[in-house]
Amino acid sequence: GAGVSQSPRYKVAKRGQDVALRCDPISGHVSLFWYQQALGQGPEFLTYFQNEAQLDKSGLPSDRFFAERPEGSVSTLKIQRTQQEDSAVYLCASSFSTGYEQFFGPGTRLTVL
Amino acid sequence: KQEVTQIPAALSVPEGENLVLNCSFTDSAIYNLQWFRQDPGKGLTSLLLIQSSQREQTSGRLNASLDKSSGRSTLYIAASQPGDSATYLCAVGTGGFKTIFGAGTRLFVKA
Repeated sequence: GAGVSQSPRYKVAKRGQDVALRCDPISGHVSLFWYQQALGQGPEFLTYFQNEAQLDKSGLPSDRFFAERPEGSVSTLKIQRTQQEDSAVYLCASSFSTGYEQFFGPGTRLTVL
Repeated sequence: KQEVTQIPAALSVPEGENLVLNCSFTDSAIYNLQWFRQDPGKGLTSLLLIQSSQREQTSGRLNASLDKSSGRSTLYIAASQPGDSATYLCAVGTGGFKTIFGAGTRLFVKA
């Protein structure tokens, strides 16, 4: 079966623009995670979904960041009024359920000019 | 607050050597621990998942151990190969839904 996919793979935005990053998890996976990874660092947790419910959004850095998973499958991470410090790789992961192995997508590299 | 540390930050070894990567965490109340590899410009590939009730997991040339009481995990790679060159990350599952990653160990295996 297909793994986790993310689109776009690369995104360049001018400061102040809004961006939307998409994640297609593995079919049937209940849990979905978003992470932000800076160069040379490990991924930093942003938010967690169980089906369509966003159960933890404690890692979202500001109210400019918003995530949704309306039908419990595809998820979108939206960043409003992008800033240069938002430049990073955004990773999505899914797992069968809480506590199971996480499978990652290839990530979206966001560059804010 | 859970913190995860990986030592060393970088490691270079000759092909064929057995090696150990270390991961330590500050709060022993973990749900599970997962080891990943990351190749440059790519996402993470899962290697091994250890539940909090387990002591170790093995897959091929890889063996991961977990000692919750001391807050440590090790990833043992036997007979290293150039294809093992990558960044290795450990990640701790907390009691909630958050997963905390270390900064990783960059491994280079010389042919």
